[in-house]
Amino acid sequence: DVKVTQSSRYLVKRTGEKVFLECVQDMDHENMFWYRQDPGLGLRLIYFSYDVKMKEKGDIPEGYSVSREKKERFSLILESASTNQTSMYLCANGDQYGYTFGSGTRLTVV
Amino acid sequence: GNSVTQMEGPVTLSEEAFLTINCTYTATGYPSLFWYVQYPGEGLQLLLKATKADDKGSNKGFEATYRKETTSFHLEKGSVQVSDSAVYFCALVGRFSGGYNKLIFGAGTRLAVHP
Repeated sequence: DVKVTQSSRYLVKRTGEKVFLECVQDMDHENMFWYRQDPGLGLRLIYFSYDVKMKEKGDIPEGYSVSREKKERFSLILESASTNQTSMYLCANGDQYGYTFGSGTRLTVV
Repeated sequence: GNSVTQMEGPVTLSEEAFLTINCTYTATGYPSLFWYVQYPGEGLQLLLKATKADDKGSNKGFEATYRKETTSFHLEKGSVQVSDSAVYFCALVGRFSGGYNKLIFGAGTRLAVHP
């Protein structure tokens, strides 16, 4: 089975900090995605990538950037964390036959 | 545009009751359809899928049939258990502008099953 690993389950950061959320896949999938999940808003796509060094904005990219230097790793970067970025962040990979999700990182910005 | 609409929750049922969670979609072309489940404190897991019209996806007693004529993919289970308590997400994947595949989710439906 494809495995998607997010490096942290829980993070607490201060306002203004630069935050890195890491995601690693153990298969050779080209497609990787970052979502955030908030109560009442469901899952919203932040960024996605279809190949190394390639990235595309999703529906809510403001305040975020991404990095994909290697195929197996897709990082989400909060350039200057703010309290409204407190959320559950989910990484996924896959294609039209299905996506595999990581366990999620619950980020709290104080 | 492309979207997924599913019934609002929470859905509260007694154990062994019949479950239906409605899901309808709007999409161009022929998207693949999915149900994902999220148990408390965990990430999303693929529950079942269907990739073409009239396909039936099934897993763990859950079923859903891809109905192109009604653009629906309703989730059903004949007898729910307490362990089925979770949030269920309907989703689709299709080729959108730029030729990319994107997974679009519904808002999720929380199911609570009581003994």
